[in-house]
Amino acid sequence: DIQLTQSPSFLSASVGDRVTITCRASQGISTNLAWYQQEPGKAPKLLIYATSTLQSGVPSRFSGSGSGTEFTLTISSLQPEDFATYYCQQLDSYPITFGQGTRLEIK
Amino acid sequence: QVQLQESGPGLVKPSQTLSLICTVSGGSISSGNYYWSWIRQPAGKGLEWVGRIYTEGSTRYNPSLNSRVTISRDTSNNQFSLTVSSVTAADTAMYYCARGRGASNYDFWGQGVLVTVSS
Repeated sequence: DIQLTQSPSFLSASVGDRVTITCRASQGISTNLAWYQQEPGKAPKLLIYATSTLQSGVPSRFSGSGSGTEFTLTISSLQPEDFATYYCQQLDSYPITFGQGTRLEIK
Repeated sequence: QVQLQESGPGLVKPSQTLSLICTVSGGSISSGNYYWSWIRQPAGKGLEWVGRIYTEGSTRYNPSLNSRVTISRDTSNNQFSLTVSSVTAADTAMYYCARGRGASNYDFWGQGVLVTVSS
């Protein structure tokens, strides 16, 4: 199985901050990576797919980059509604796997 | 707009079989390049991909579930289902159904159903 390791696992930041979350894959996955946001008690919401394509309706302050084994999700200016948990997901090979999550909290 | 809704018992006894149904509206489960999938999440933990059924009926499962999983579909009712046999407390989780768009992402999710395995 392809392991995805997110860093950090926990992040404390303020409204307006720029934050970056990293996702490292145990082997190359080309650009077959997606990012999700999950608020407490809700289903995950797709933010970015194919490493850098913004899902329709997602604010442009979210962006993704990377290839191979290292990927990043960047939020350019944190808004109050962005405080949630973020997961990366690889769809390059079965079984599909997720990172362990990054919990983003208000400082 | 595609919508998915999970349904099924919230409590299952150990060693029995967990059965859930996902009802899809706003799109057919038998057309398009879509992977109709199940993902689960134990309380306070991360997401685990359980398996999927493709538009044409083929299935793939997570080997970690040791062949206890079956995903099937009822195209006449636009539903797909999940069964997990010989459940233990480790199968207690929120179970989500979702649509996989090609091999690219999961764009629509159900709200989830909590399944507890307990006697």
